[in-house]
Order: sequence, then C-alpha cells, then structure tokens
Amino acid sequence: DGGITQSPKYLFRKEGQNVTLSCEQNLNHDAMYWYRQDPGQGLRLIYYSQIVNDFQKGDIAEGYSVSREKKESFPLTVTSAQKNPTAFYLCASSIEGTAYNEQFFGPGTRLTVL
Amino acid sequence: QKEVEQDPGPLSVPEGAIVSLNCTYSNSAFQYFMWYRQYSRKGPELLMYTYSSGNKEDGRFTAQVDKSSKYISLFIRDSQPSDSATYLCAKYSGGSNYKLTFGKGTLLTVNP
Repeated sequence: DGGITQSPKYLFRKEGQNVTLSCEQNLNHDAMYWYRQDPGQGLRLIYYSQIVNDFQKGDIAEGYSVSREKKESFPLTVTSAQKNPTAFYLCASSIEGTAYNEQFFGPGTRLTVL
Repeated sequence: QKEVEQDPGPLSVPEGAIVSLNCTYSNSAFQYFMWYRQYSRKGPELLMYTYSSGNKEDGRFTAQVDKSSKYISLFIRDSQPSDSATYLCAKYSGGSNYKLTFGKGTLLTVNP
C-alpha cells in the first residue's frame, strides 16, 4: 500500500529534551512538508522540502529542525528551544507537476510535553 | 490580514440539513482553492478543488468560488453523521514553492 507513515502516534517529552518525529512516504513524491496543528489554529507550516538535501523554513520554523537525506524520509526534530511544543504534528507530501498541488497527509503524531 | 480566513465554528446541524461552510481570501492572483476534510485524530484528505471561479459538484458536495467577493464555499446536501469532521479550506497560488495556505478549519457535527 502506498502512503505516508508517521511514528510514533503519541509522544511524551520532558521539558528540555529534543525529540525526533519520523515521516516516511513510499509515494515517490518529490516534496514533503511538516505542519503543526493546534486547536482553533488550522495548519501552520513548519518546514518544507522540494528535493533531497534541500529544505526551506515555513511560517513557524523557530525551535524546529529537519533533514532530507533520502527522498522518502523527512524527520522533524523538536528542540528544547521550542517554547510550546505540545501539538498535533502532520507530515505531508506532494508530487511535482499537478496544477493544484494536492498534498497527502500522514496520520499525525501527538506530542505532549510533561 | 491573513490570506485565508475561516470561521472555526463549531457548527452543529441535524441529519439531512444543507450545510454551508465558508472562507474568505485575500490576494487575487491566479490560484486554486481546495477543501480538505479531517476526521478526529486523523490527517486531512482532499475533498474537492476548484480553479479561481465557478462551481464544482461531486455527489452531495458543491464547491463554489466567488471572485468578486473573494468568498469560497462548500455546500453539503443531505448531510450525514459520517460528514462530521473538521473542514479546512486552502489555497494554492502556484509558483515554485508548492505552499498551500490553510484556513483555521470549521468543526462540523451532524446529529442523527
């Protein structure tokens, strides 16, 4: 089955710790994205990558870091510098060439800071 | 002014009602408009998309764009409890950065 997988589904972090959220896709999509979703805030773009070894900051990149060493993988690290990391994190991917840039989303990771 | 504004609701309707979900947008450049549906604790999925203006119908769902008022709407006819979800409007302005701009989402509950 083709799709996007995110792990873990739930993640608990102590204050001051860095954590890494996994995102893998087997859709052969070029572009990948990380969003953060808070109640009443919709989706806010953290980082995106259009090609391997290249990525750009989104609207709320502070306190986060990413890497794109492989086409199918786009892990997100939430660092201790992120002041309010408790949220639902969504990874997405899209294929180059569609006129409307349909993005396909993973099931999400819910991060809670204890 | 945010690029896409959406009333977060929540919206609660009885089964069978006609539902109207709305967003407004700024920046009138060439663009596509999309509606994503997100069930609780799941990732969003694309429901419909339209280009710049006009209507598009798919079964019980109709997406409409009014360029003069910069309004985008999603209508759901004969609403069902299975339609209960958060609906997110989004726009894509083209170009090379592939970015979508999302509204805040409207939580819809259809009561049996």
